[in-house]
Amino acid sequence: KQEVTQIPAALSVPEGENLVLNCSFTDSAIYNLQWFRQDPGKGLTSLLLIQSSQREQTSGRLNASLDKSSGRSTLYIAASQPGDSATYLCAVPMDSSYKLIFGSGTRLLVRP
Amino acid sequence: DTAVSQTPKYLVTQMGNDKSIKCEQNLGHDTMYWYKQDSKKFLKIMFSYNNKELIINETVPNRFSPKSPDKAHLNLHINSLELGDSAVYFCASSQDLRATGELFFGEGSRLTVL
Repeated sequence: KQEVTQIPAALSVPEGENLVLNCSFTDSAIYNLQWFRQDPGKGLTSLLLIQSSQREQTSGRLNASLDKSSGRSTLYIAASQPGDSATYLCAVPMDSSYKLIFGSGTRLLVRP
Repeated sequence: DTAVSQTPKYLVTQMGNDKSIKCEQNLGHDTMYWYKQDSKKFLKIMFSYNNKELIINETVPNRFSPKSPDKAHLNLHINSLELGDSAVYFCASSQDLRATGELFFGEGSRLTVL
């Protein structure tokens, strides 16, 4: 049974700092891994999607890496800004369908 | 132009009532989903539909009945509401059933059962 864990549960950093969010999964036979952002009272916004054949994806100040063999992914945020404050979730498909298994998220606060 | 839209955004109702949440996507996707986010913020899939056909039903009580009149719409009807149904319900869509593309979410419908 696939389980997804995110550490830390919460993180508070000063503006400008680089930071890393962690995601681990128990079953390495994944098709892809997706990172989402959720703002309070809002839906989820897809940030990055890494296919199983890829090792990393970049979008602006965000870089996500994937190590299937160790069951880990990281989301690196460079030069953090207060606008980055949100909850970040990672998710993997349960199987070949889109039954996503979500982690519990990391709540990020970037202090001005 | 909203890609996945849900209505209503907030819903407060009494136990025992019946309510519906509507979802529409204008992305031309074949597959739509309902996810539930509980008070601990865990997101779990409830249903998925592909071209109006039910694909996934995650042991959700049969008080929950999804309906897909066409592939752009997936509505969720809930009968005999219970306190434990209070949660945020998210609609989502993807290009198709294959787990190779992105999942797009609506903004959620917060249901409070009193």
